[in-house]
Amino acid sequence: KAGVTQTPRYLIKTRGQQVTLSCSPISGHRSVSWYQQTPGQGLQFLFEYFSETQRNKGNFPGRFSGRQFSNSRSEMNVSTLELGDSALYLCASRGTSGGNEQFFGPGTRLTVL
Amino acid sequence: QKEVEQNSGPLSVPEGAIASLNCTYSDRVSQSFFWYRQYSGKSPELIMSIYSNGDKEDGRFTAQLNKASQYVSLLIRDSQPSDSATYLCAVNVGSSASKIIFGSGTRLSIRP
Repeated sequence: KAGVTQTPRYLIKTRGQQVTLSCSPISGHRSVSWYQQTPGQGLQFLFEYFSETQRNKGNFPGRFSGRQFSNSRSEMNVSTLELGDSALYLCASRGTSGGNEQFFGPGTRLTVL
Repeated sequence: QKEVEQNSGPLSVPEGAIASLNCTYSDRVSQSFFWYRQYSGKSPELIMSIYSNGDKEDGRFTAQLNKASQYVSLLIRDSQPSDSATYLCAVNVGSSASKIIFGSGTRLSIRP
């Protein structure tokens, strides 16, 4: 099976702009979680989607939003970008059978100038 | 108190020795526990999952879980230079199996 894919891999934006990141889960996986990773804060949970519904949410401002489509692909949007939003954004997919393991994509490196 | 705590390291271990990585968590109802390895510039890679008290072995890796002490550990036997990476402990929180929180990671260095 193909792994989790994320696009784009690298992105440079300026403060105040908005950005949309995309994640395609492993085929057959219906759960997609998003994380932000920075050197100072580590891996922080943003939100999780399952069957097009947000099932869990972390402690991030409303500028961070997401959605999931019927084919399980997910997008994450960050509006009004701030310098502190510079980070590696990771998505992880999980299957519905067996254990609760998550598998990560390669990430999108976002730089806000 | 952080939900998942790890010693940030760096932990330096000679090649061929056993590396021991520890993690504590605060949520008593947590049921799913994971260890991920992350090389610099790469995304986390799942090494082990454990759901029941006791030990679980997979090759050179052994995960140990003690729910009463809210403690999970990872042992790496016969450590190799390629094991040098950051190891992340992850735990589900609350009643949701799907909200998984990560520790800040332990940096492991295997010296030849």
